[in-house]
Order: sequence, then structure tokens, then C-alpha cells
Amino acid sequence: ILNVEQSPQSLHVQEGDSTNFTCSFPSSNFYALHWYRWETAKSPEALFVMTLNGDEKKKGRISATLNTKEGYSYLYIKGSQPEDSATYLCAFTRNQAGTALIFGKGTTLSVSS
Amino acid sequence: SQTIHQWPATLVQPVGSPLSLECTVEGTSNPNLYWYRQAAGRGLQLLFYSVGIGQISSEVPQNLSASRPQDRQFILSSKKLLLSDSGFYLCAWSRQQNTEAFFGQGTRLTVV
Repeated sequence: ILNVEQSPQSLHVQEGDSTNFTCSFPSSNFYALHWYRWETAKSPEALFVMTLNGDEKKKGRISATLNTKEGYSYLYIKGSQPEDSATYLCAFTRNQAGTALIFGKGTTLSVSS
Repeated sequence: SQTIHQWPATLVQPVGSPLSLECTVEGTSNPNLYWYRQAAGRGLQLLFYSVGIGQISSEVPQNLSASRPQDRQFILSSKKLLLSDSGFYLCAWSRQQNTEAFFGQGTRLTVV
């Protein structure tokens, strides 16, 4: 059984604060690490897909890093805005044909104005 | 462009009744297809995935089953629902295992 752990479970910040979340995953047999954003009443949407150790990806104020050797990824949000409020999910796939994304439980971010 | 359709959006079913949730993808061929469930207070749990017609892999033993009768159609079924089957069910597709997944709008199932 694969475990993808995310922390913290929830987070409440003020508008303008910068924040980061952690995703840990099995370091052996790694294939890809995904980050998704899930807003209330919507479907999860992909933010990043990372495959290489040391990968860093950025989309606007959101960025992510990947360490496959130690099995963790960080998601950073710079200058949080109320519209960033959502649940952020990370997901892991193994290096094995025909396998699926295994999701963590997510970090729920709430940004107050 | 590719689209994914999932229905119904909400469903209230009595314990012991059957279930059929349908998901179809348009605009692509031979997608990887997935069924996930989010139970109350929990994350997304992988239920089934399929890499081709008639090929179904189950991640968690339960009283649910899945079928893929056509390339872009994925069906989640149960012969007899349990109270514990209540949750939010999401269908998703991806081109390959390392590419992003695209999710349907989800089905909120309440078993009473």
C-alpha cells in the first residue's frame, strides 16, 4: 500500500501571506508527482506534473519543487489571495506500466481578506 | 478539444439498491480512465482504473465494480449499495500515467 502524506491538513492565512505545503511519497520506484488544485463545487485541476529530481515549476504566484531521492515535494504560494482558497492535492505514480495516480488527503487553504 | 462527462450529478439511493454511474470522454482515444471516491473527511481514494477496453484494475476490495464496454466509456456499478458507499465520486482520464488527469464534475451519492 502506497502512502502519500500531505501536511498541514488545513491552513488559514491572511491575504498577502506566503505559505507552503508539503507532500511526502515513497522514494523508491518513483515515476511522477502531480499537484492539483480543488476549489469548492469544481473539479480538481492540475497545477504541475514533475518527473525529475530537482524539478522546479512555477505558475504565477504558485511554484513547486521536487526531491525524488528523499521523497518530498513542496508547493509554495507567494502573496496569498482569497481566490487561492482551495484544497491542494498531490498525487504520485509508480514506475510501473498501467498504474494510476495515488492521491494524498490534501491541504485545505483558506485565505482571509 | 477533450471533454469528460459524468452523470448524474447527485443521487440519493436506498440501502440495498443497485448503482450505475457513467463517465464518457470525448476528443481522445485510448485514454487511461479512473474512478475515485472522496468519503466524508477523507482524501481521494482510487477505486478502479483502466488502461484499455475490458482492462480493469481494482485498488480497494469493496462491493463496487467497474466496466469499460467502449474505449471512452467507464461505468461504476454496485448490485447492492451500503451506507458506507456514500461519498463524492469522480471520474478522470489521462493520456498516459505521467500526464495530468482531467476530472469530471463528480457525483454526490447519498445512500439512505
